Amino acid sequence: DAGVIQSPRHEVTEMGQEVTLRCKPISGHNSLFWYRQTMMRGLELLIYFNNNVPIDDSGMPEDRFSAKMPNASFSTLKIQPSEPRDSAVYFCASSSTEDTGYTFGSGTRLTVV
Amino acid sequence: TQLLEQSPQFLSIQEGENLTVYCNSSSVFSSLQWYRQEPGEGPVLLVTVVTGGEVKKLKRLTFQFGDARKDSSLHITAAQPGDTGLYLCAGLFQGAQKLVFGQGTRLTINP
Repeated sequence: DAGVIQSPRHEVTEMGQEVTLRCKPISGHNSLFWYRQTMMRGLELLIYFNNNVPIDDSGMPEDRFSAKMPNASFSTLKIQPSEPRDSAVYFCASSSTEDTGYTFGSGTRLTVV
Repeated sequence: TQLLEQSPQFLSIQEGENLTVYCNSSSVFSSLQWYRQEPGEGPVLLVTVVTGGEVKKLKRLTFQFGDARKDSSLHITAAQPGDTGLYLCAGLFQGAQKLVFGQGTRLTINP
């Protein structure tokens, strides 16, 4: 298995632009999580899905953030419009019912200038 | 809000030394996990502990879960430069469905 695949690895964008981050979870995993990591705040859970259904989006900072999971093999996190304070590393992780351990992707480093 | 506190935040020691890092909470975990994260990569799961008092070993790493399931420790024997990284504990609190991560301990092993 190729693991959790995220794209792009790096994204530099100007303030106000739309940013879309992509994630392909491990096949057979039924839970998917989006995290944001910064030095100041550590790893923060933004939203998670079970069987493609959003369960808890209480960590989404504001309405500028949205996430979708149209099928079991793909999810997106969109920021529109982006702001400099959104600069962080965004991780996607997946897990299965049988194993509570998370498998993380390599992350997307987002820089908003 | 259920919080996980890790200590120390930063630790820099010489190769060959032993070290212990800690993870504490005021709430009871149904399970707890330890991850290691290297620069430019996502966290990688090292171990999951479930039973109070449980001890698990992974080569030179020893993980212990407190009897009351509110705390955990990670002990590394004879640390090596390859152990350098960010060590994160993550707890699944009773009745919760999502992991809560601590801030991590940033470990540096100097040759």
